[in-house]
Amino acid sequence: DIQMTQSPSSLSASVGDRVTITCRASQGISKYLAWYQQKPGKVPKLLIYAASTLQSGVPSRFSGSGSGTDFTLTISSLQPEDVATYYCQKYNTAPFTFGPGTKVDIK
Amino acid sequence: EVQLLESGGGLMQPGGSLRLSCAASGFIFSNYAMSWVRQAPGKGLEWVSDISGSGDSTYYADSVEGRFTISRDNSKNTLDLQMNSLRAEDTAVYYCAKQRSSNGGSLNYWGHGTLVTVSS
Repeated sequence: DIQMTQSPSSLSASVGDRVTITCRASQGISKYLAWYQQKPGKVPKLLIYAASTLQSGVPSRFSGSGSGTDFTLTISSLQPEDVATYYCQKYNTAPFTFGPGTKVDIK
Repeated sequence: EVQLLESGGGLMQPGGSLRLSCAASGFIFSNYAMSWVRQAPGKGLEWVSDISGSGDSTYYADSVEGRFTISRDNSKNTLDLQMNSLRAEDTAVYYCAKQRSSNGGSLNYWGHGTLVTVSS
């Protein structure tokens, strides 16, 4: 099975900072990758699908890139409401594995 | 408005069985594959199982293969997860989620989850 890893596992940044999270697949998954945001105590929310397509209603400061095995989620200007854990998920073939998550908070 | 409402969670002893249900509304249920995703207390998201829109195709995580069965009733717009031989490590909030497109894929709507606790 394809394994998903994320780095870093956590980060602390200042409001307005550019934040980048990396997701890596152990084998190529083309662009079958999604990113989710889960705020504390809340339900996960889809941010990006097909590696780089912004889900409707998601602020444009979020962006995704990559294909194959290496992917990134970027927050161009971190806001207080972006405090959350971010997960990637592969969905090319089962199992539709999630990454372990990256916890983002404000410095 | 898409709504997903899970039910059926509770406290079970190891080795027991439980059936989770998810009532869906606000979309053409049979057109979309559906997923179960779980989250153990303080842990990350774990994909559990998928079922195609027709119900003909099902997929399971290795951790639940042979113990859990996913099913759907497209006439009632319901998704189920039959959980047998429960273990302590099955303790989690279980989310029902809708896939974004008719071809499957990412999960664009999630229920609020139902808590399953497996403990003696």
